[in-house]
Amino acid sequence: KAGVTQTPRYLIKTRGQQVTLSCSPISGHRSVSWYQQTPGQGLQFLFEYFSETQRNKGNFPGRFSGRQFSNSRSEMNVSTLELGDSALYLCASRTGGANTGELFFGEGSRLTVL
Amino acid sequence: DQQVKQNSPSLSVQEGRISILNCDYTNSMFDYFLWYKKYPAEGPTFLISISSIKDKNEDGRFTVFLNKSAKHLSLHIVPSQPGDSAVYFCAARAGGGADGLTFGKGTHLIIQP
Repeated sequence: KAGVTQTPRYLIKTRGQQVTLSCSPISGHRSVSWYQQTPGQGLQFLFEYFSETQRNKGNFPGRFSGRQFSNSRSEMNVSTLELGDSALYLCASRTGGANTGELFFGEGSRLTVL
Repeated sequence: DQQVKQNSPSLSVQEGRISILNCDYTNSMFDYFLWYKKYPAEGPTFLISISSIKDKNEDGRFTVFLNKSAKHLSLHIVPSQPGDSAVYFCAARAGGGADGLTFGKGTHLIIQP
């Protein structure tokens, strides 16, 4: 069974630009979550999507948005990039049923903002 | 305000000995706790979990202990092996799972030969 796939793995942007990251969950998983990992803050929850609907959102500004498609694939977008947005963005999927918290993570997309 | 705290950024343990990683939390609504392990250039992988109705859960070399009154949990690895060298994240869930996981900042475990 293929794991969670994230693209691109690495990217460099400049301040003010926008970026779109993609995530393909494990086949059969309907829930996709996004996390931001930075050295100072650890992993922080961005949002979760289930059946194309945002189910919950973390404490991030509106510049961070996402969506989920009918095939459960998800994208997240960050607009008007700031230096502090440099981070590893992790996507995680689960079946979407009873939430035991066990998530399956992708390898992440490392974003550098110059 | 950090709701899940891992106060040791790093921990060095000799191979074969016990590794004990600690985690404290402040939110009384947390009802499920998990440990994730992360190697460089890889995503975190689920290791072990415990429900708030239990005080211990064991899986092979890994045991998690939960002390609800102290709002403290710990992960014991016995015996420690070189492949255990990684960053370990403590995570907690509240509200029956509707919310995302709250992670600690991680502890880098180094197993020395």
